[in-house]
Order: sequence, then C-alpha cells, then structure tokens
Amino acid sequence: EAGVAQSPRYKIIEKRQSVAFWCNPISGHATLYWYQQILGQGPKLLIQFQNNGVVDDSQLPKDRFSAERLKGVDSTLKIQPAKLEDSAVYLCASSFGGAGNTQYFGPGTRLTVL
Amino acid sequence: GENVEQHPSTLSVQEGDSAVIKCTYSDSASNYFPWYKQELGKGPQLIIDIRSNVGEKKDQRIAVTLNKTAKHFSLHITETQPEDSAVYFCAASVQGAQKLVFGQGTRLTINP
Repeated sequence: EAGVAQSPRYKIIEKRQSVAFWCNPISGHATLYWYQQILGQGPKLLIQFQNNGVVDDSQLPKDRFSAERLKGVDSTLKIQPAKLEDSAVYLCASSFGGAGNTQYFGPGTRLTVL
Repeated sequence: GENVEQHPSTLSVQEGDSAVIKCTYSDSASNYFPWYKQELGKGPQLIIDIRSNVGEKKDQRIAVTLNKTAKHFSLHITETQPEDSAVYFCAASVQGAQKLVFGQGTRLTINP
C-alpha cells in the first residue's frame, strides 16, 4: 500500500513570496490533515478535511494560509505572503475516519523562509 | 482546549536498558492516546496507541500505560536497540474534537 505522498520535499523562499505544497493521501482515506512542525516541537494541526469539507481550521492563520481539497482526494496548502516564522516542516497526514483512527503521515515539506 | 506535556525532552540510555517517556494531558474527556516515532527527515510513524477503556497495552518491546485518574500516560521501551534512537511524540485526542494534540517530543539516544 502506497503511503502519503508530499511534494516538494524542500523549499527555500524569500519573505513575502508565496509557496504551495501538495499532498496525495492514502487511497480510500476520507480524512486529510495538514500540520505545521516547528523545529524542536510537536506537530500542530493547521486544518482537517473530511472528504471535501473542512472539519477544523481553528489554528490556520487565514490571513496568509489557505488550503483546499479538490474532489476529496489531493490537497494543496498555500502560504501568501510568507513570513520568517513560517519556516517549519509541513506534514500531511490521512486517516480512514476521524477521531481515534490511525493517522498516517507523509515525509513532510521543509520550508525555509529567508 | 487540550494541552499535552511530555517529559523528558532528551533521554540517553545504554543499549539493552529500558526507556520511559511520560505525558500528562489536561482534558479529562480525552480518550485516545497514540505514540509516534519520528526519524530524521521522515514523518511521524505510529508505534502504539491506547484507548481510555484500557489501562495497559503491550506490543513486543513496547508498552503503554494509562492512568485516567491522574491524566497521564507513559511509553515503556525494554531491551533498547540502536534503531530505537529517534524523537518520540505522545498525543491525545478528544472524541468529537477529531484532532490530535501532540506533546513537545523526546529525543531518545541509545548508546552502544
């Protein structure tokens, strides 16, 4: 079974530029999550999708971050404009269901904002 | 909202010895507690989980215990091996909230 795929793996941008990350979840997984992991910290949930719909985006900085999940499969996370403090690893995860279901993580995208 | 505290932040043990990592949570409604292992350059990988209706769960060299009264849970690794070296995260989930809140992580180093 193929795991969660993410691209790119690394990205370096200047502050105020925009960037987008892509995630392809495990086939059949209805729930998709985007996490931000700052160096030395645990992952923090940014947004959770159930199929096409948003379940939780309470910690997403909506003035600069946006995410979508087209057709309930792939998802993109965008940052515009980026700030220095956005430097982190962005992890995508998926699960068959919601609460209490095992979340499978992708390898992440390491973003460096200069 | 839920808050998860994890200790210690770093742990170094001799190969073959046991390692214990502890977490406390704040929301008494939390009912699902997974543990993840993260190796350098990779995403977190689930190694074991426990639900609030169970006090202990074991899988070969790994075990997790849960004390609902004290609101803490622990990861126990016995007969540690060099490949156990990684960062370990605990997490807690509240039924209905549908999200995991992670601890800060423990960097475990196994010395040969």
